[in-house]
Amino acid sequence: IAGITQAPTSQILAAGRRMTLRCTQDMRHNAMYWYRQDLGLGLRLIHYSNTAGTTGKGEVPDGYSVSRANTDDFPLTLASAVPSQTSVYFCASSDWSGRSYNEQFFGPGTRLTVL
Amino acid sequence: LAKTTQPISMDSYEGQEVNITCSHNNIATNDYITWYQQFPSQGPRFIIQGYKTKVTNEVASLFIPADRKSSTLSLPRVSLSDTAVYYCLVSYTGTASKLTFGTGTRLQVML
Repeated sequence: IAGITQAPTSQILAAGRRMTLRCTQDMRHNAMYWYRQDLGLGLRLIHYSNTAGTTGKGEVPDGYSVSRANTDDFPLTLASAVPSQTSVYFCASSDWSGRSYNEQFFGPGTRLTVL
Repeated sequence: LAKTTQPISMDSYEGQEVNITCSHNNIATNDYITWYQQFPSQGPRFIIQGYKTKVTNEVASLFIPADRKSSTLSLPRVSLSDTAVYYCLVSYTGTASKLTFGTGTRLQVML
């Protein structure tokens, strides 16, 4: 693994189903993030984690949950998917100094379609 | 949640300098401004970061005026491969919950 990876690359999901998007980084960054990108809206932060064992809510957290059991992995779960969650999801990681957020490294994205 | 504002799109020709401005209200003194580049079907990629005056690296310059209410990304002598969407991100000190990307500027470079 080099950098940050996401799985699956794309997924079509029936509404009401549960789905977990996976994200793994090998850069030993302490901070990780999940964004969604919708046409015309740019990137919006869903959840973040400053260090393993801690998580926080971003701008659009409703309908999503995350966990950070270790440094490398940061899965995003949709407990009961709805069509409005159709989007491209990006995971990112960075060093966090406790004061500022440094350069974020982004994964290739997961394209999710909820029908 | 303070918002950032960028022009939706810009056109340029190869070899020209391109300046993209981002407006950001309520920014605090120690908050950082970061610019990213995104190609279709890829994640954003870091270009440059700064928090006051001017920062320059091998690909771009970032100008931040004294009042810090805006910032300008300058790309010298663009080429076709610079055609992409450029995002301004304001990193509010201390909490990621307020990481705010702008809506992005679509730069089209032409021959």
